[in-house]
Amino acid sequence: EAQVTQNPRYLITVTGKKLTVTCSQNMNHEYMSWYRQDPGLGLRQIYYSMNVEVTDKGDVPEGYKVSRKEKRNFPLILESPSPNQTSLYFCASSLAGIYNEQFFGPGTRLTVL
Amino acid sequence: ILNVEQSPQSLHVQEGDSTNFTCSFPSSNFYALHWYRWETAKSPEALFVMTLNGDEKKKGRISATLNTKEGYSYLYIKGSQPEDSATYLCAFRASGAGSYQLTFGKGTKLSVIP
Repeated sequence: EAQVTQNPRYLITVTGKKLTVTCSQNMNHEYMSWYRQDPGLGLRQIYYSMNVEVTDKGDVPEGYKVSRKEKRNFPLILESPSPNQTSLYFCASSLAGIYNEQFFGPGTRLTVL
Repeated sequence: ILNVEQSPQSLHVQEGDSTNFTCSFPSSNFYALHWYRWETAKSPEALFVMTLNGDEKKKGRISATLNTKEGYSYLYIKGSQPEDSATYLCAFRASGAGSYQLTFGKGTKLSVIP
């Protein structure tokens, strides 16, 4: 089944404890992206990647890192999480070409205490 | 950060009614406009990708139009059903260096009352 998977789905952590949220897709998509969803603010893009080893900042990259060493994986790294990073995070992927629709993962709900 | 506005923020309609809502985006440097449907506790799912001024796309009872010159897109739902209840998101792609960046509106939350 074609899908985007994220792990973990739920995470409660404490300020400053490094964490990684994994994202993997099995559709051979070139483009992958991370978003966060906060009440009243809509989906905001954190980082995106156009292909392996090619990443770029979205609208809200502060406090996050990403890497794209393999085509199928695009992990989101929070080196020192803070409470303002408490949010619902979505990973998405699509074929190359800006006209292609994105396929979203199931979401990761992160709480930073 | 680009300004993508959706209105109304929410609406309630009776089953069987038709409805529409708006997405406004910058009319300059347009590249593409996406519509997504997001049901509660699920992930957003793509409805349409629109690229040309005057584009009109349809999927079942849902259709969308695009006016790039004035910077808006309408989403129409004909004969709303309870299963249409969801948040509808539009997302804008600008041309140029940031064309791989997607800016979402805050969505229109539709509730269809049986």
